[in-house]
Amino acid sequence: DGGITQSPKYLFRKEGQNVTLSCEQNLNHDAMYWYRQDPGQGLRLIYYSQIVNDFQKGDIAEGYSVSREKKESFPLTVTSAQKNPTAFYLCASRRQGGSYNEQFFGPGTRLTVL
Amino acid sequence: GNSVTQMEGPVTLSEEAFLTINCTYTATGYPSLFWYVQYPGEGLQLLLKATKADDKGSNKGFEATYRKETTSFHLEKGSVQVSDSAVYFCALSLLDTGRRALTFGSGTRLQVQP
Repeated sequence: DGGITQSPKYLFRKEGQNVTLSCEQNLNHDAMYWYRQDPGQGLRLIYYSQIVNDFQKGDIAEGYSVSREKKESFPLTVTSAQKNPTAFYLCASRRQGGSYNEQFFGPGTRLTVL
Repeated sequence: GNSVTQMEGPVTLSEEAFLTINCTYTATGYPSLFWYVQYPGEGLQLLLKATKADDKGSNKGFEATYRKETTSFHLEKGSVQVSDSAVYFCALSLLDTGRRALTFGSGTRLQVQP
């Protein structure tokens, strides 16, 4: 079955550590996205990538970094510069072309800073 | 800029009651509109979509009509079930922007009591 996987499901980080969240898709989608969700709020865009080896900052990119070396993979690194990283992180992908712009989401990673 | 406004929750209903969740939007162009649903601890699932004025999206008994004149995309269901308890997000996306990311409302929690 095609879909998006994220790992780990739960992640705990100590102050000052960098952590990397994994996102893999086998939908053959070109575009991939990272969103952050805080309690009682909608999702906010961190980074996105339209094609391999290219990515762009979203609305809240400070303290985060990404890479897109393969079409299937779009890992997100939460650096120590991110002052309030505790949140639920969602990865999504989208097929290029078409008229709907619909995105498909992974199950999410819940990051907690200890 | 682009924004989505949803009614605040939680919305608490008895089983078989009629559901309406209001959603209005502001967009600089002509957006595609979506409703996503999130069950506890999970990612987002696309519930329904519409791409042009007067389009009606429908799925699993849920419906929403794209109203350009009132910039609205209200979600309705004639008879809710306990299994519909979740958080519902209204979102938009613009075809004429490079990133085609989703702009989300803050979400509305639905609680259905037996």
